[in-house]
Amino acid sequence: SQKIEQNSEALNIQEGKTATLTCNYTNYSPAYLQWYRQDPGRGPVFLLLIRENEKEKRKERLKVTFDTTLKQSLFHITASQPADSATYLCALGGADGLTFGKGTHLIIQP
Amino acid sequence: DGGITQSPKYLFRKEGQNVTLSCEQNLNHDAMYWYRQDPGQGLRLIYYSQIVNDFQKGDIAEGYSVSREKKESFPLTVTSAQKNPTAFYLCASSLVLALAGGNSYEQYFGPGTRLTVT
Repeated sequence: SQKIEQNSEALNIQEGKTATLTCNYTNYSPAYLQWYRQDPGRGPVFLLLIRENEKEKRKERLKVTFDTTLKQSLFHITASQPADSATYLCALGGADGLTFGKGTHLIIQP
Repeated sequence: DGGITQSPKYLFRKEGQNVTLSCEQNLNHDAMYWYRQDPGQGLRLIYYSQIVNDFQKGDIAEGYSVSREKKESFPLTVTSAQKNPTAFYLCASSLVLALAGGNSYEQYFGPGTRLTVT
């Protein structure tokens, strides 16, 4: 069965540094991949979508890469700020709809 | 304001009772979804609907039921048959269902309903 892996442990990053989150998957060939941000007790918010034929996507301080050979997506936040602290979910998309990973809790320390 | 709303935010029920969670959207989206989120778990799909009067089971549909009588509304009923109903429930919508091959797959989520059954 398909499996999505995100770092289960919290990621602590110093303010101003680049935070890099990883999403690995197996037994799946997604047509696209999405990243969402979720704050405690709230619904996820869509951030970025990258398709299988795209290598990289950028939006302001966010950058996503998608390597279908490695079956991996990297999510970067540059010039990180304490307000970026949240849980970040990756989601794989295809004919079966979206499948979400468990998320990585990111903490940006001042 | 366009968006997706869920009510109530917190819900408490006694074991053995059915309970219905509300989900409304004014985004004019065709597709709607219900997910369940437990601590340390990813979002798990309960039901989804592509159009009015049509819905499909997701990965964990047992013990749940839905209806889609209006485009804007997709209520979820948690029945007494659901063995572990206590969870955070999230409703979402998208312009089209991913299956349809539309250009806009991003999902818009509501604020969630935290259900506690004792």
